[in-house]
Amino acid sequence: QVHLQESGPGLVKPSETLSLTCTVSGGSISNYYWNWIRQPAGKGLEWIGRMSTSGTTNYNPSLESRVTMSVDTSRNQFSLKLSSVTAADTAMYYCARISPYYYAADVWGQGTSVTVSS
Amino acid sequence: EIVLTQSPGTLSLSPGERVTLSCRASQSIPNSYLAWYQQKPGQAPRLLIYSASSRATGVPERVSGSGSGTDFTLTISRLEPEDFAVYFCQQYGNSPRLTFGGGTKVEMK
Repeated sequence: QVHLQESGPGLVKPSETLSLTCTVSGGSISNYYWNWIRQPAGKGLEWIGRMSTSGTTNYNPSLESRVTMSVDTSRNQFSLKLSSVTAADTAMYYCARISPYYYAADVWGQGTSVTVSS
Repeated sequence: EIVLTQSPGTLSLSPGERVTLSCRASQSIPNSYLAWYQQKPGQAPRLLIYSASSRATGVPERVSGSGSGTDFTLTISRLEPEDFAVYFCQQYGNSPRLTFGGGTKVEMK
């Protein structure tokens, strides 16, 4: 059974870069899209972007100028960097697996809470 | 960008009742790439339905999805106590880009 686990700092200062890693266990990282999705407290879900293990990335246009995703297939990990953060980036950040056959997120990490504050 | 509008915002219902949730898209969703998720407090979303009407692994038969084009529905035939939660729809478009609806909360009356 595939399991995803997010890791990274829970507190980031304004204007700095948020960095998170998602570790995939129990299955191959190949042949899927690996995504980051966030959710401010009490609000809805926002897709940040996705990448494939071939290195192809697609980002939410509203965040594209600040987002970088990467993958390390040798470690079964993929990562998110979000630069120039503000309080508006405070949220629960989830990593999720999406199948290229039906484009739905069938496996999610438990989420990691990130607060942007000085 | 395809915008998804979910209605109603909140439903107050009792166990055993039937519930129908709506998700309307601002334009036709290609290939019916429309999914539904359930989210309980403090938990990650859980996939219920993909491709508009296919149940994900482990989802009970009382949960069903239907629709195509711009109008989609999630139905729970008889509410169980564990069904009280927030439900989100999600679409995948040709951008490529995923977008989510704003959610419907199903609360116990």
